[in-house]
Amino acid sequence: DAKTTQPNSMESNEEEPVHLPCNHSTISGTDYIHWYRQLPSQGPEYVIHGLTSNVNNRMASLAIAEDRKSSTLILHRATLRDAAVYYCILEGSGAGSYQLTFGKGTKLSVIP
Amino acid sequence: EPEVTQTPSHQVTQMGQEVILRCVPISNHLYFYWYRQILGQKVEFLVSFYNNEISEKSEIFDDQFSVERPDGSNFTLKIRSTKLEDSAMYFCASSGFGNQPQHFGDGTRLSIL
Repeated sequence: DAKTTQPNSMESNEEEPVHLPCNHSTISGTDYIHWYRQLPSQGPEYVIHGLTSNVNNRMASLAIAEDRKSSTLILHRATLRDAAVYYCILEGSGAGSYQLTFGKGTKLSVIP
Repeated sequence: EPEVTQTPSHQVTQMGQEVILRCVPISNHLYFYWYRQILGQKVEFLVSFYNNEISEKSEIFDDQFSVERPDGSNFTLKIRSTKLEDSAMYFCASSGFGNQPQHFGDGTRLSIL
């Protein structure tokens, strides 16, 4: 399985932008880059995903490097509710596998 | 917004007993999944289910585990003879198609005594 590398933890001030990095140097051409987050005592929650182009939705933006070996999740204005563990996951649906392989993720703390 | 619901929120069971965890996926979804998270550890994939059969399963999903979609709305995970190490949060998820985002429930906390 292609693996991802994320910092263990990050801090952000409330209402500041947050850039959460992810390295995935062994990504294959058919792997989608997914981001999920897990708030305390809740199940994982989908945030955003992409293949090659940058993506925006109401929650966040995803910037994908041209060589696809890294990506960055951007939260434009962090709120206290954004404090969670953020997971960068490679999903190999192009190869017929839909399971999500979670790593340890990045624990984001938001300071009021 | 439609959501995945799981019952019960907390299940306490004696070791060796059978337990059934229940999930109601989002109604028009076709793919269903179970994951588990042992306290303080990573979320781990157990099994995926499509078209009334298992499509993928992990090494964790041994003969003690089974899944079923007994009617058009429920999706269940059965553990035949529970062990202490089965204590974990169990998350159900569903997706419209396999390559679409998965929507997770808030989990069932299973405690084996």
